[in-house]
Amino acid sequence: DQQVKQNSPSLSVQEGRISILNCDYTNSMFDYFLWYKKYPAEGPTFLISISSIKDKNEDGRFTVFLNKSAKHLSLHIVPSQPGDSAVYFCAASENYGGSQGNLIFGKGTKLSVKP
Amino acid sequence: ETGVTQTPRHLVMGMTNKKSLKCEQHLGHNAMYWYKQSAKKPLELMFVYSLEERVENNSVPSRFSPECPNSSHLFLHLHTLQPEDSALYLCASSLEVAGGREQFFGPGTRLTVL
Repeated sequence: DQQVKQNSPSLSVQEGRISILNCDYTNSMFDYFLWYKKYPAEGPTFLISISSIKDKNEDGRFTVFLNKSAKHLSLHIVPSQPGDSAVYFCAASENYGGSQGNLIFGKGTKLSVKP
Repeated sequence: ETGVTQTPRHLVMGMTNKKSLKCEQHLGHNAMYWYKQSAKKPLELMFVYSLEERVENNSVPSRFSPECPNSSHLFLHLHTLQPEDSALYLCASSLEVAGGREQFFGPGTRLTVL
């Protein structure tokens, strides 16, 4: 059973508006969450992360929100730009800083930002 | 070269062939990973190496054989593959195998098994 779920396979947004990508998880032991972005013919690249001791982390146009009680996180992109069009993967890890570092990935959400 | 590189970028092979995928990281990391990405599925972790020692094998069939001769290089040897093994194979590295460590990915090898 999937431990990290991205239930929307795709999302289309107008340039300049907000993009909200959602991710749900089932494992309450996850304590670190990451978002990766992937362009075609390239590997995923790290975008932003959040530790479970926080509920928000912001980096420029990108903000990740974590709701531990709902086991839900979201990535907000404001304002969205055509260059943001890519597949976004949510990933989770448990035992932050410990000896096991496996990342569990969701299936990804394809974001299309239209000019 | 910077980051994580993978060769070849595309590979077509028959079920009786033997081929190898190569990954090299130029980041000074100590951990390396192989992932498989099939259509409409999450990235699946296959193998983890820490300081050239395999620390995880996620129930991967023996027709996939990893090799890590040093902390900068990782190979995936392929033999007698099946068509369902066609996928994007991604290599990644991280500073160490530790919870939450950011992993840096290569561009992947798109493998097609005929």
